[in-house]
Amino acid sequence: AQKVTQAQTEISVVEKEDVTLDCVYETRDTTYYLFWYKQPPSGELVFLIRRNSFDEQNEISGRYSWNFQKSTSSFNFTITASQVVDSAVYFCALSEALDKFYFGSGTKLNVKP
Amino acid sequence: DVKVTQSSRYLVKRTGEKVFLECVQDMDHENMFWYRQDPGLGLRLIYFSYDVKMKEKGDIPEGYSVSREKKERFSLILESASTNQTSMYLCASHASYEQYFGPGTRLTVT
Repeated sequence: AQKVTQAQTEISVVEKEDVTLDCVYETRDTTYYLFWYKQPPSGELVFLIRRNSFDEQNEISGRYSWNFQKSTSSFNFTITASQVVDSAVYFCALSEALDKFYFGSGTKLNVKP
Repeated sequence: DVKVTQSSRYLVKRTGEKVFLECVQDMDHENMFWYRQDPGLGLRLIYFSYDVKMKEKGDIPEGYSVSREKKERFSLILESASTNQTSMYLCASHASYEQYFGPGTRLTVT
C-alpha cells in the first residue's frame, strides 16, 4: 500500500500566486517523521523540513509554510507569492523508524513569469 | 556541509554488463541508501545499510546487490544490466533525522 500519496502530478501557476502541494500519508505507528524535499532541474534533492508526529504546530519559513494535521493524515506545503525559482519537483516523505524513508511520487511545480 | 558524491552523473551501459555505482559520504553517517527515481513513481528504495558490511533490502532489490566495506562508501551493483534498469539512481546518507542526497547518476542501458 502506498504510504505517501501526492495526488497532484503537476501544477502550473503564474508568478506571485500562492500554491499548495498536498501530501497524505498512512502509518500505524504513533511515532513517525514527515519530510518535504525539493528537486530543482539540476537534480539534487534538497531538504526543506522535518516534522515529528508529536509536533502538530504549523511552521513558516519565509514564503514557505507547512500544515500538519494528524486528523486527516496530511502534511501540506504552501508557497506564498511563488517565484520562478520555485519551479521544481517536490517530494513528501514519511519515515517511521528512521531506517526506511517512503517517498511520494512527487508534484512538479511550474511557476511561469 | 555534508557532502554525498556519486561516481558518475551519466552512464551508458550495454545489456548484460556488470555495472558499479559508487557513493561516498564525508560525514561519518551510519546509514546509507540507494534509490531509483522514475517518472510518476517517485523514489523507490533499493537497498540500505546501517553499518559496515550490513545491508537490508528495500522495496525493489531484484536485480541489484550492494557492498559496504567502508563506512563512507556504499556501492550499488547491477550484476547483469537490463534495459528496465534505465533510471536515475540516487544515493543518500542519513543522520539527525534527515537524509542528504547525492547529485544522482542517470544510467541508460542499451
